[in-house]
Amino acid sequence: QVQLVESGGGLVKPGGSLRLSCAASGFTFSDYYMSWIRQAPGKGLEWVSYISSSGTTIKYVDSVNDRFTISRDNSKNSLYLQMNSLRAEDTAVYYCAREWPVGSTHGAMDYWGQGTLVTVSS
Amino acid sequence: DIQMTQSPSTLSASVGDRVTITCRASQSISSWLAWYQQKPGKAPKLLIYKASSLGSGVPSRFSGSGSETEFTLTISSLQPDDFATYHCQQYNSYSSRTFGQGTKVEIK
Repeated sequence: QVQLVESGGGLVKPGGSLRLSCAASGFTFSDYYMSWIRQAPGKGLEWVSYISSSGTTIKYVDSVNDRFTISRDNSKNSLYLQMNSLRAEDTAVYYCAREWPVGSTHGAMDYWGQGTLVTVSS
Repeated sequence: DIQMTQSPSTLSASVGDRVTITCRASQSISSWLAWYQQKPGKAPKLLIYKASSLGSGVPSRFSGSGSETEFTLTISSLQPDDFATYHCQQYNSYSSRTFGQGTKVEIK
């Protein structure tokens, strides 16, 4: 069955860095676009970034541009989010999600991980 | 960037009620809209994609409609398991994705 498992969250000081990972299993990872989405405590969902199946197409929400970097390693079935210059407003649960369907207009997210909490505080 | 506005923010309803949630886009998104259900402490679950297509394993009491800038999610007969927060999301393969602010469906 499809599984997405995030890791790497934790407490970090403002200005610090963190790298999130998402381990995928149960499907052909290299066929799918993947996204990161975050949810601040008590707030709604915010899409953060997506990466194409080959890794050549990437897009970010404006608020993280130049600070966050999405990447993937298809040989390891893994998705990453490198987060630099972290701010208090980046505090959130971060989810990875699979974009669906393949071969058509995609962007709906059919499988999500359980999320990993990132807390930015001094 | 495309903005998504959901209404209402909170909805109080009883088991058996017909419930409708609206999502409006700041510009046309054709039919590239998804709906998700989220329960506290859990990841969202895909209910509807392409505005009106039912996700895998989703009960038929859920339905979606609309196009261009106005969309609705309808629950035909609210069940106890349906009390949750619902999110809409616009997408188009190569553009940004945007979520609405969410609608909490609570027990009346």
